[in-house]
Parts: sequence; structure tokens; C-alpha cells
Amino acid sequence: NAGVTQTPKFQVLKTGQSMTLQCAQDMNHNSMYWYRQDPGMGLRLIYYSASEGTTDKGEVPNGYNVSRLNKREFSLRLESAAPSQTSVYFCASSAQGGSSDTQYFGPGTRLTVL
Amino acid sequence: GENVEQHPSTLSVQEGDSAVIKCTYSDSASNYFPWYKQELGKRPQLIIDIRSNVGEKKDQRIAVTLNKTAKHFSLHITETQPEDSAVYFCAASTVGGSQGNLIFGKGTKLSVKP
Repeated sequence: NAGVTQTPKFQVLKTGQSMTLQCAQDMNHNSMYWYRQDPGMGLRLIYYSASEGTTDKGEVPNGYNVSRLNKREFSLRLESAAPSQTSVYFCASSAQGGSSDTQYFGPGTRLTVL
Repeated sequence: GENVEQHPSTLSVQEGDSAVIKCTYSDSASNYFPWYKQELGKRPQLIIDIRSNVGEKKDQRIAVTLNKTAKHFSLHITETQPEDSAVYFCAASTVGGSQGNLIFGKGTKLSVKP
């Protein structure tokens, strides 16, 4: 099993450009998450999907949209990138999404917005 | 909402010494407390977790303790080795319906000097 995979690994955008970050998991997990990681800030939840067909906002959703395409895939879209969105983005998944469920992380996407 | 404070932000120890990282949380309803290790340029990986019905859990050289009354939990690493050098994150799960979302501390950079 590959676990959680993300594409691309690196991306440079200009302010105002759009892009979609892709995430897929092959563990048959129900819940998926998108985090951003900034220096000294830890990991902050952007959006999550408790199950196929549902999405909800996390702590820092502004400027992002998500799509739970099917059970395996959860994408994150930046419609008009801003320098403040320069960060490392991690996707994660968990089996049931319950309050004591282990989350497994993907390798991350390093995004720079100029 | 939940807030997690983590201390210290940096920790330097000699190989063979013990290291302790402490976290406090604000929501008394939180019931799941994982610890993640993140090596430079890699994804966060779960190293140990504890649930609120347990006061202590041990796995070889690492242990976690939980004090629900005081709302704090700690990671203990004994006989530290250079490969323990990494950033460690604590987290606490929010309890909202059936969905458990993790709130992370800001991380502790542990350096183990040979």
C-alpha cells in the first residue's frame, strides 16, 4: 500500500494564479483532511471530509476550496493564490474520523506564491 | 475551541540523556492525545498516543503521561539517540459529534548531540 500520496511535491505560483493540490489514499479510510504547516505555527486544519460526499471548514479555510471526489481522493484548490498561502500542505486520512482515530499523513506539497 | 500549548520550543540534550516535552490543552472534553515526530523535509509520523481513560503509556524508550485534572500531557524519551533529533508535535482531539479533529501544538525541535 502506498498510504497517502500527494501531487505535486513542489509548486511555484504567481499571485492570482490558481491550482489544485491532489491527495489520494489507498487505505479505505472514510475521513480525509488538509493541513497547512508554517514555521513556528504547527499544523493547522484547512478543511476536512468526514466521509465521502461531505466537507467542512477547519481552522483556516479562507482562500481555499475542497472537493471529495470519491472515497480515495480529496483535492484542495486555490482559486487566486496569495503570498500568504506560501506554505507546506499536508493531506491526511483516518479510518473512521472518530475523536480517537489515528491520522496518517501524506508527504506534503511545498507551495511558494510569488 | 480547543487550544494546545507546547513547551519548550527547542530542546537540546546530550546523547543518552532524557528529554521531556510538555503540552497543555484547554478543552476538558478532549479525549485523544497523539504525538507526532517530523524529521526535516518529511511528513509527521505518529510515534505514540494516549486516550483519556489511561494515565500512562510506554513503548520502548518513549512514554506519554496524561493528567486530565490539570489538562496536561507529556512525552518522555529516555536514552536519547542522534536519530531522535526531529520536531515533535503534540495534539489534542476536539470532540464534535462523531468527527475528531486534531489541534496541534506549535512543535518542539529536539536536538540530540552525540
